[in-house]
Amino acid sequence: GQQVMQIPQYQHVQEGEDFTTYCNSSTTLSNIQWYKQRPGGHPVFLIQLVKSGEVKKQKRLTFQFGEAKKNSSLHITATQTTDVGTYFCAEEYGNKLVFGAGTILRVKS
Amino acid sequence: NAGVMQNPRHLVRRRGQEARLRCSPMKGHSHVYWYRQLPEEGLKFMVYLQKENIIDESGMPKERFSAEFPKEGPSILRIQQVVRGDSAAYFCASSQGTGALNQPQHFGDGTRLSIL
Repeated sequence: GQQVMQIPQYQHVQEGEDFTTYCNSSTTLSNIQWYKQRPGGHPVFLIQLVKSGEVKKQKRLTFQFGEAKKNSSLHITATQTTDVGTYFCAEEYGNKLVFGAGTILRVKS
Repeated sequence: NAGVMQNPRHLVRRRGQEARLRCSPMKGHSHVYWYRQLPEEGLKFMVYLQKENIIDESGMPKERFSAEFPKEGPSILRIQQVVRGDSAAYFCASSQGTGALNQPQHFGDGTRLSIL
């Protein structure tokens, strides 16, 4: 079945440093969605990318979809303590979302 | 709050008992999804329902698990004869449709199920 691989599993950064998480698939993705889950919370939709090479920005967050639509990345510039949580990529595959394992971000102040 | 409502937030059951998890979708949403999340793992799809219909249950275990979304009332995920391995967070999500752009799934706060 569909599978999206996400790396790294964990990332500890100093406040103010940048952070990037990567999502990869062996097959072409129809689209990619990104979610953030705070500790003890629920996934919150951040963005959806559909077009090859698409780049979208939300304040300090930059989302990219690869030219071949097989990979995607989320980059956070100058992390803040409010950025802590787990970031998931997910592909909408038919009737369901197929989630990556997530990247846990910890920010040291 | 017009978001996805799940209850209970926390549920404790002994092995062999039944667990019932409830989910009311966002207003205007007719599509409901259930996902299971083990600690420090991603969410795994279980089932997708519309009113009175199970559309996709490819992620549901073959035994002990069932789901419904009746014409009236919330969607129910039912786990019979629970075992320790059923301990997880169960999230419900809803959307206006599927496979369409700009119709993301909105998640509830989840039910944390603990089996003693």
